[in-house]
Amino acid sequence: GAGVSQSPSNKVTEKGKDVELRCDPISGHTALYWYRQSLGQGLEFLIYFQGNSAPDKSGLPSDRFSAERTGGSVSTLTIQRTQQEDSAVYLCATLPVFGELFFGEGSRLTVL
Amino acid sequence: SQQGEEDPQALSIQEGENATMNCSYKTSINNLQWYRQNSGRGLVHLILIRSNEREKHSGRLRVTLDTSKKSSSLLITASRAADTASYFCATDKSRISGGYNKLIFGAGTRLAVHP
Repeated sequence: GAGVSQSPSNKVTEKGKDVELRCDPISGHTALYWYRQSLGQGLEFLIYFQGNSAPDKSGLPSDRFSAERTGGSVSTLTIQRTQQEDSAVYLCATLPVFGELFFGEGSRLTVL
Repeated sequence: SQQGEEDPQALSIQEGENATMNCSYKTSINNLQWYRQNSGRGLVHLILIRSNEREKHSGRLRVTLDTSKKSSSLLITASRAADTASYFCATDKSRISGGYNKLIFGAGTRLAVHP
């Protein structure tokens, strides 16, 4: 597609359930980022992919969080055993080579 | 820790006035970028200024960068109600950190422009 696509746009889940969030990047963008934004806050870096490898996972808050990228394209962020503090908007962004990030519209996660 | 910090946290002005937002950061950077976020939406890139540049313009936007003070400002001239959004600065240390663009975002300035 023309832009970064994220799904689902909204997800409500119960505490303790696992969730998967998907990001379809702009074709040809080799770098892919996941950020988390809590209500009214800035963006918190989670993980960076270059191709299929993740040289920087330093922002993942706990081992309940994991992410993968396949074929240098689609990425999935998985949160296991969700907690209420995981509620946030999860933003995916991609980068061609250098310069500006192109963001998706985000996946809003609510953990009840 | 957060690299960029914007101030003010919130700004309320009338249409036609200028809006100035500031960003301070802590370590050396390769470039600094400003993004805009409408409520409930993703971020949109506004402008990028490299560490060897001091000022850049794009339409009604003017960005300055002072690397000696580790600060940047975003000026929106002749503001419009449609400029109401949150504005974030993001710093890129790629050359220093070793090869990739890791953008670190500040907490943002919430701008409200009243008709």
